[in-house]
Amino acid sequence: QVQLQQSGAELAKPGSSVKISCKASGYTFTSYYISWIKQTTGQGLEYIGYINTGSGGTNYNEKFKGKATLTVDKSSSTAFMQLSSLTPDDSAVYYCARDEDNYFDYWGQGVMVTVSS
Amino acid sequence: DIQMTQSPHSLSASLGETVSIECLASEGISNYLAWYQQKPGKSPQLLIYYASSLQDGVPSRFSGSGSGTQYSLKISNMQPEDEGVYYCQQGYKYPPTFGGGTKLELK
Repeated sequence: QVQLQQSGAELAKPGSSVKISCKASGYTFTSYYISWIKQTTGQGLEYIGYINTGSGGTNYNEKFKGKATLTVDKSSSTAFMQLSSLTPDDSAVYYCARDEDNYFDYWGQGVMVTVSS
Repeated sequence: DIQMTQSPHSLSASLGETVSIECLASEGISNYLAWYQQKPGKSPQLLIYYASSLQDGVPSRFSGSGSGTQYSLKISNMQPEDEGVYYCQQGYKYPPTFGGGTKLELK
């Protein structure tokens, strides 16, 4: 069965970076892009961007350019998202999701990132 | 970006009742519309894609319809496990955007 297993919760200080992972199983990893989505109580669900798991090519939502960096390790079927120069506004739950081009059919369990001094 | 507006913000339904949730796009999205259900502490789960296609494993009491800028999700025969927050999402133009959510509770 398709599974996306994300890394654990992060507590980070303002100005620092975090890197969260998303390990896929149950399907051919390079056959689907992986997208990342941010969820907050105030802003709801916001799309961050996607990575082509075969080529490593990326496409970011303009809003998250410079904030998020997406990478992939095909050998371990794992996608990564690094969030840099963290501020309290980056506190959220971050999901990875398998991208079916127009919708997202499987989601990871989410990673809560808390930015606090 | 395409704006997605859901209504109502919240609703409550009795067991067995039929409910509808609406989603309005700020421009035509050619049926590239998905619906998700999210339960507390869990990730969103895909229910409907391409406006009316039922995702594998989703009960047939869920159905989607619409065209152009207006879409709806219908839940027939409300069950306790249907409680949660429902989101629409457009996949017509990049970046994908989501509605603000509709909270559904059992009366």
